[in-house]
Amino acid sequence: NAGVTQTPKFRVLKTGQSMTLLCAQDMNHEYMYWYRQDPGMGLRLIHYSVGEGTTAKGEVPDGYNVSRLKKQNFLLGLESAAPSQTSVYFCASKDPNYGYTFGSGTRLTVV
Amino acid sequence: AQSVAQPEDQVNVAEGNPLTVKCTYSVSGNPYLFWYVQYPNRGLQFLLKYITGDNLVKGSYGFEAEFNKSQTSFHLKKPSALVSDSALYFCAVRSYNTDKLIFGTGTRLQVFP
Repeated sequence: NAGVTQTPKFRVLKTGQSMTLLCAQDMNHEYMYWYRQDPGMGLRLIHYSVGEGTTAKGEVPDGYNVSRLKKQNFLLGLESAAPSQTSVYFCASKDPNYGYTFGSGTRLTVV
Repeated sequence: AQSVAQPEDQVNVAEGNPLTVKCTYSVSGNPYLFWYVQYPNRGLQFLLKYITGDNLVKGSYGFEAEFNKSQTSFHLKKPSALVSDSALYFCAVRSYNTDKLIFGTGTRLQVFP
């Protein structure tokens, strides 16, 4: 089925560890986004990409890095995880008619 | 800068009654406006969008929203609420000249039987 797939779905990290979240879409969309969702704060944009090989900062980029080496994949990296990065992370892609499709999320806990 | 405000953290309504979830926005230029719904432990699902044209937009599950340019609002409405409508609702805005979709803080809708 066409859509946005996020892996992993759950992860627990120790402070200082690193990890990469993978987002894959099979809809040939140019635009992809990473958001984090925290209680009372809605979804905040971390980084986004307007096409293969491009990335740009969103509202809360600090502590995260991203890469878009292939059009269908958008990776979010945490180099040194902190408890403040405990959150639910959502990836999304945008079609030419302005529709945004979201993945099912990655629940990350940093202890 | 773009911003979205959802002034109500929670809206309570009895089943069968009309519901309104409020959203106001701030962007430069023409806005693209969206409503999404999130059920527990799920991702966001698209409800409806306003890009251009008729100010009244109809979407999924019987929801609709009215774009009001003078009040910079895009309130979500439904004539008759269902218990199954209980969820977290997000309003989002994007200016026509940016690539970023900005979300409000969300409103939890609780429909009581």
